[in-house]
Formats: sequence, structure tokens, C-alpha cells
Amino acid sequence: GESVGLHLPTLSVQEGDNSIINCAYSNSASDYFIWYKQESGKGPQFIIDIRSNMDKRQGQRVTVLLNKTVKHLSLQIAATQPGDSAVYFCAVYSGGYQKVTFGTGTKLQVIP
Amino acid sequence: DTEVTQTPKHLVMGMTNKKSLKCEQHMGHRAMYWYKQKAKKPPELMFVYSYEKLSINESVPSRFSPECPNSSLLNLHLHALQPEDSALYLCASKPREVAEYNEQFFGPGTRLTVL
Repeated sequence: GESVGLHLPTLSVQEGDNSIINCAYSNSASDYFIWYKQESGKGPQFIIDIRSNMDKRQGQRVTVLLNKTVKHLSLQIAATQPGDSAVYFCAVYSGGYQKVTFGTGTKLQVIP
Repeated sequence: DTEVTQTPKHLVMGMTNKKSLKCEQHMGHRAMYWYKQKAKKPPELMFVYSYEKLSINESVPSRFSPECPNSSLLNLHLHALQPEDSALYLCASKPREVAEYNEQFFGPGTRLTVL
């Protein structure tokens, strides 16, 4: 089965700094990856996605990098703001499945 | 309307009670999901409906019974639950075909406590 993990359970960053959240997955057949943000008391919110035929994708203040060789993806948040404080989940979608497997989550704490 | 709504927000029930959770979306999405999320854990998939038909049941105990009356509505019927079933229950919907690669839209969840 799919194993999806995060390297750090909690990440504290200074406001204005860049944040990097990492995620490792185990299934080399995984072909679609999503980062979700979950604030306290709310459901997960889509941030950015990337397909396996890409190495990098950029959004507004966020960038996702995918390294299929080592089965690793990362989420970079530029100029981190207090509103970025939340738990971030990577999620992996494997071909032929109708579901997403979520990683264990990283809590991002932004220090004002 | 671009959101998934869930009712109630909070629910407290005894182990002998029967209750239902409701999820609604009016985005025309044809795939709908139930997830269970324990505190400080990621969401765990329970059920997937595609075009109002159950397509995935992740070996969920029969005390949880899903229902999809129409393309906009998803219910989760609860009966004889256990205290360990206490969790946040999340509903999500997805555009187009279930197998296509696009994100799910999540509701805010129902916080369930079983006494």
C-alpha cells in the first residue's frame, strides 16, 4: 500500500521568512500529488497540485517541487504570513485509484 | 455556490442512538466522499460515491451507513456507535469523473462525540 510521510511534525518560522515542508512517498507509480492546508476547526483546503510529468509548479507565494527519483515532494511558501499557520498535508494519488492518501501532516507555526 | 456544507457542526450521541450527518454541494460534482479524521491525524477515507453509486467502501463497520439520495446530497447514517468513533467527519466532492486528477473540495466537517 501507499506510505506517505512528512519529515517534521512541527515547523516554526519567523514571519516573512520562507517555509519548506517536505513529504516522502513510497509508491513509485504515484502520479498526482496535492498539498492541502487545514486550519483549526476547518476542512482541508486545496493549495496546489502537481502531476508526475512535472518537476515544479508555482502558485501565488507557493511552489511545489517533485523529485520522482527519490519519491519526495516539497511545498515552499514564500514570505510566510501569520495566516499561513495551519497543518499542511501532502496527499498522493495513484493511478487507477479513486482516492487520495494523506500524509501524517506538518504543523506550521508562524512567529510574528 | 462554490462550497460544501455539512450539518450539524457538532453532534453528541449515546451508543444506542441513531443519528445522521448531512452533506450538500451545488457545484455539479458527481463524486462525493466521506472521511473520518481523529485529532492530530490525517483524514482517512471511508466511502466514495460516483454518480450516486457507492464505488468504494474502505472496510467501514456496518454501524456507518452511507446514502446518496441525489447528486447534491450525501448522508451518513449512524447507529450503535462506539466512543472510539468520536472524530471529525469530513465530506468532500470532486468535479467530473472520479478517476480524473483534480482536487477534492472539503466541507467544514461535523464534530461527533459518542458517549
